[in-house]
Amino acid sequence: KQEVTQIPAALSVPEGENLVLNCSFTDSAIYNLQWFRQDPGKGLTSLLLIQSSQREQTSGRLNASLDKSSGRSTLYIAASQPGDSATYLCAVETDKLIFGTGTRLQVFP
Amino acid sequence: DVKVTQSSRYLVKRTGEKVFLECVQDMDHENMFWYRQDPGLGLRLIYFSYDVKMKEKGDIPEGYSVSREKKERFSLILESASTNQTSMYLCASYSGRGRHEQYFGPGTRLTVT
Repeated sequence: KQEVTQIPAALSVPEGENLVLNCSFTDSAIYNLQWFRQDPGKGLTSLLLIQSSQREQTSGRLNASLDKSSGRSTLYIAASQPGDSATYLCAVETDKLIFGTGTRLQVFP
Repeated sequence: DVKVTQSSRYLVKRTGEKVFLECVQDMDHENMFWYRQDPGLGLRLIYFSYDVKMKEKGDIPEGYSVSREKKERFSLILESASTNQTSMYLCASYSGRGRHEQYFGPGTRLTVT
């Protein structure tokens, strides 16, 4: 059974820091991996999608990597800002999306 | 831009009521999903649909049913609401072609009293 784990569960950093969020999954037979952002009380916004054949994807200050063989993905956020404060979720697609429980990020000025 | 809309942002219902949650997407996506999100449990899949009039059970279908009469609309039905169905409900869709990037609606916060 596929399980997705995110570490840390919560993170608080000062503005300007570069930071890494981790996601691990138990079964490497995935179609893709997605990173989402969720603001409090809101829906999910897709940030990056990495196909199983890809190693990384970049969008602005965000870079996500995928190492399928080891069952790991990282989301790198450069020069963090208070507006980056949110919960970040990763999900792997098999026959459906399986989500981790998220990392709650707070960036303080 | 893909838009997924949900009929209500907040809903308060009484125990035993029949509740309808509606989801509409405007990008001709074949695949639609209903999740519930609870603190400490993350997102859990209730039901999904790969096409009109198709439905498949997810991980936690008990107490729920769904309807997909039109491609753009996927409804979640609570036949007899119970307090343990108080939750945030999220609808999502994606195209069966290409990247499979899932798009989510804003969510419905349902409280059953």
